[in-house]
Amino acid sequence: QVTLRESGPALVRPTQTLTLTCTFSGFSLSTSGMCVNWIRQPPGKALEWLARIDWDDDKYYSTSLKTRLTISKDTSKNQVVLTMTNMDPVDTATYYCARMFTAYGYYFDYWGQGTLVTVSS
Amino acid sequence: DIQMTQSPSSVSASVGDRVTITCRASQGSSNWLVWYQLKPAKAPRLLIYGATSLQTGVPSRFSGSGSGTDFTLTISSLQPEDFATYYCQQANSFPLTFGGGTKVEVK
Repeated sequence: QVTLRESGPALVRPTQTLTLTCTFSGFSLSTSGMCVNWIRQPPGKALEWLARIDWDDDKYYSTSLKTRLTISKDTSKNQVVLTMTNMDPVDTATYYCARMFTAYGYYFDYWGQGTLVTVSS
Repeated sequence: DIQMTQSPSSVSASVGDRVTITCRASQGSSNWLVWYQLKPAKAPRLLIYGATSLQTGVPSRFSGSGSGTDFTLTISSLQPEDFATYYCQQANSFPLTFGGGTKVEVK
């Protein structure tokens, strides 16, 4: 059974750095073709893909956010960490992590429930 | 980046209705189009991949069609559990991009 769960602070101050952790089970990020992605959804707005990390440690970032994002993994702990610097109120959103298996295609077959992050002073 | 335009942004429907949602890509995506269902406080659910393939466990009342730049999600007979927001996503190239969403509401 594949599960993913996001964790991190619910409230972040403007200019601070956000650190989110995705803890997963039911698959291994050392399997060829396996990836974990981060996606966010601001309240009332559409989904936005943020970043991806692959089994071989290749990393991909949103064009507009790449200077602020860092994605990393700890395969032994089944965790993926996303950091986003210089947080702003417009970054208030529900942040999701999701699995992708590139052998199937570039889509997300399992998602976490998401964690709401509010940016406010 | 490939822009995805979804319509309508919302639709009011009743149980048993046929609902159709469209998605248009700014560039041809072959059949690399995916549909998701989102409900509050629940993990998003993959419905359709490869434009037409039903994900395992998804009821057959959901279907997808289209290729190139124009795609459609159809719910043949709306059920109470189908009131939700639906998103398309192009799966052709990074950065992956989503449509603006379609909220299916109770009429």
